[in-house]
Amino acid sequence: DGGITQSPKYLFRKEGQNVTLSCEQNLNHDAMYWYRQDPGQGLRLIYYSQIVNDFQKGDIAEGYSVSREKKESFPLTVTSAQKNPTAFYLCASSIVTRENQPQHFGDGTRLSIL
Amino acid sequence: KNEVEQSPQNLTAQEGEFITINCSYSVGISALHWLQQHPGGGIVSLFMLSSGKKKHGRLIATINIQEKHSSLHITASHPRDSAVYICAGNTGNQFYFGTGTSLTVIP
Repeated sequence: DGGITQSPKYLFRKEGQNVTLSCEQNLNHDAMYWYRQDPGQGLRLIYYSQIVNDFQKGDIAEGYSVSREKKESFPLTVTSAQKNPTAFYLCASSIVTRENQPQHFGDGTRLSIL
Repeated sequence: KNEVEQSPQNLTAQEGEFITINCSYSVGISALHWLQQHPGGGIVSLFMLSSGKKKHGRLIATINIQEKHSSLHITASHPRDSAVYICAGNTGNQFYFGTGTSLTVIP
């Protein structure tokens, strides 16, 4: 079945450490997104990409980096510059057309600080 | 103030009750989405609508463009409907998310 796979489900980071969250999709979608979810807040956009080798900063990109070397993959690195990384991270993808399209979401990665 | 506001924040219902979750938005959007987030965290898209009403099983979504308001209704609610329901509006690739309504349906 087609879908989005995020891994790992749970991740722990030590102070000063970079960690990378994986997001893979086999839906043949052009657009991919990374969101951060904190308690009591709506999803906030970190980065998005509409095409391979191109990506744009979202509302809260500081302390994060991404790459889009393959259509299927959009990994997110949480760098040591992100001072408050504890959150739930969701990856999504969608078709890029002139018409509105729903986003398809992964099951998320919960990141905690040790 | 969030661009998308939902009410109520939390909702507890008895099995079989009719449930309504409301969503108001203050920005121009081209479509309104209703999402369901299960306790494990995964999100499923329930509806995308630009006008009128859509129905899928026991779920009904309506939107009033003039009033910038949408509602999600669940008929004959069941404990398996317990989840967080999120309203979101989009214009192009820009999505605005509400903070979600946590629904608990008690047997």
